[in-house]
Amino acid sequence: DGGITQSPKYLFRKEGQNVTLSCEQNLNHDAMYWYRQDPGQGLRLIYYSQIVNDFQKGDIAEGYSVSREKKESFPLTVTSAQKNPTAFYLCASSISRKGEQFFGPGTRLTVL
Amino acid sequence: KNEVEQSPQNLTAQEGEFITINCSYSVGISALHWLQQHPGGGIVSLFMLSSGKKKHGRLIATINIQEKHSSLHITASHPRDSAVYICAVSSAGNQFYFGTGTSLTVIP
Repeated sequence: DGGITQSPKYLFRKEGQNVTLSCEQNLNHDAMYWYRQDPGQGLRLIYYSQIVNDFQKGDIAEGYSVSREKKESFPLTVTSAQKNPTAFYLCASSISRKGEQFFGPGTRLTVL
Repeated sequence: KNEVEQSPQNLTAQEGEFITINCSYSVGISALHWLQQHPGGGIVSLFMLSSGKKKHGRLIATINIQEKHSSLHITASHPRDSAVYICAVSSAGNQFYFGTGTSLTVIP
């Protein structure tokens, strides 16, 4: 089945540790995105990538890093520099930057 | 001010009722999206539209470009429709803006 997978669904980390969230898609989409969702707020864009080996900062990139070495994969690292990392993280992909986005199931990160 | 505003924030309905969720936006758009988020968190795209009206089963989405307004209608609502409905727009500059969502609860 084609789709987007994110793992793990729930993740717990100690404060000060870096953590990497996985996102994989087999839809052959060029564009991929990472969003953060907090209670009572709309989704906010962290990073996006329009093509392999290229990515751009979104609205809230500070404290996060990404890589796009393969078309299928767009991992997000939440670094210790992110002041308030506890949130729900959603990955999405689309055929192009203008296209309809398809979302993964999300990863809920809790930093203790 | 948010680029995308939704109303109402919360909505409770009896099973079978006709439901309307509204979305207003302030930017020039290339398309408007309606998304559904279930309690587990996963998001499903319901509609992507740039003009007129689209229908899928009991769901209908309309958009008025001149008024910068869209509505999502659910006919004959059912408890399984309970979810958060999110309006999003993709701007002419390829930016995505999201509303804060409307939480719908349909009571049997």
